[in-house]
Amino acid sequence: DAGVTQSPTHLIKTRGQQVTLRCSPKSGHDTVSWYQQALGQGPQFIFQYYEEEERQRGNFPDRFSGHQFPNYSSELNVNALLLGDSALYLCASCRTGMNGYTFGSGTRLTVV
Amino acid sequence: TQLLEQSPQFLSIQEGENLTVYCNSSSVFSSLQWYRQEPGEGPVLLVTVVTGGEVKKLKRLTFQFGDARKDSSLHITAAQPGDTGLYLCAGAGYNNNDMRFGAGTRLTVKP
Repeated sequence: DAGVTQSPTHLIKTRGQQVTLRCSPKSGHDTVSWYQQALGQGPQFIFQYYEEEERQRGNFPDRFSGHQFPNYSSELNVNALLLGDSALYLCASCRTGMNGYTFGSGTRLTVV
Repeated sequence: TQLLEQSPQFLSIQEGENLTVYCNSSSVFSSLQWYRQEPGEGPVLLVTVVTGGEVKKLKRLTFQFGDARKDSSLHITAAQPGDTGLYLCAGAGYNNNDMRFGAGTRLTVKP
């Protein structure tokens, strides 16, 4: 049973560019959340998607947007990249109403 | 400002010692979870506590949820090098739509 799959694993982008990160949730899970984890910090909540809609959003600017597809997979888009966007981006999935997230291994984004 | 405050931030101990790490908040949570994260990996769920005062044991790990559901502790007995990692607590609100994490306790267990 595959867990949460994220792609790519590593990415280097130039300041001002745009990036799309992808996530396939664990089988049976319908809710996807995205987190940003800076070095030495805990994960910061970006947003959560359920039934293809953004259900909740953390304190992130509009440059961060997302999408959920009918098969429950999700994308995170970041526009106008800043050096401070360099971080590990984590996708987590769960079945709605159930406690406990399953996390992917993350995408390490470096903005230069 | 972190919604959840974890302490200590760093902890380095010898194999065989006992330790306790704490997770505190002024907010009430419907559930609280503990995760362990190793370098280059995503967090892995250890336990979920739901009821105030609840105690759960996972081998040498004991988790407690505060009576008011605002805080939690993780106690490890006879720590082993394999316990090394970043321990994160995360609290869910009543709608469970967002899980907020603390900054974590980085534990190093030396052989």
